[in-house]
Amino acid sequence: AQSVTQLDSHVSVSEGTPVLLRCNYSSSYSPSLFWYVQHPNKGLQLLLKYTSAATLVKGINGFEAEFKKSETSFHLTKPSAHMSDAAEYFCVVSDRSTGGFKTIFGAGTRLFVKA
Amino acid sequence: NAGVTQTPKFQVLKTGQSMTLQCAQDMNHEYMSWYRQDPGMGLRLIHYSVGAGITDQGEVPNGYNVSRSTTEDFPLRLLSAAPSQTSVYFCASSPRRTDNYGYTFGSGTRLTVV
Repeated sequence: AQSVTQLDSHVSVSEGTPVLLRCNYSSSYSPSLFWYVQHPNKGLQLLLKYTSAATLVKGINGFEAEFKKSETSFHLTKPSAHMSDAAEYFCVVSDRSTGGFKTIFGAGTRLFVKA
Repeated sequence: NAGVTQTPKFQVLKTGQSMTLQCAQDMNHEYMSWYRQDPGMGLRLIHYSVGAGITDQGEVPNGYNVSRSTTEDFPLRLLSAAPSQTSVYFCASSPRRTDNYGYTFGSGTRLTVV
């Protein structure tokens, strides 16, 4: 069965400190994994994706994520938080299914950045 | 590039009213979908389409209809609005369902049913 769990509903960091948003997944096959960001009153924007190439994936705005199959994790990190990073982040798992892919969204992690 | 355009941005309906949420994309994407976003539940798939004339149900289709007469447009119809349909609705597209590129999202429609 396919599922995705974002381990923290809220994360608060100070500006300039590292960001870690945790995501675990369950998949029967070799999944594709994504992180999206949603700023207030906006649509979701693709940050980065893993599709069975390099396990360390670099995305936009200095974010990166590492696919760890043994731990079934795909945590999102950034070395130094900026005020503009305050947003909600969604981890997404996508598996092959009949006719295409089945995609499941996590419940989201809201990132707060303190000055 | 407009990407994915949703209208309206906000809407208030009375229980029992019907309405159509519009979605248009100008990227020639074959795959289009509708999601609803509720607090603490992520995004849930309502309906999707893999091309003009082809639609199918997602995870939470009850109370909604869709059609896909052109590649560009994918409207979502609420037949008889209920308070449980109060939500934020997102339209998303990708080049093809068989390619896992990730989605382009519209900016959303915030719907309140009173």
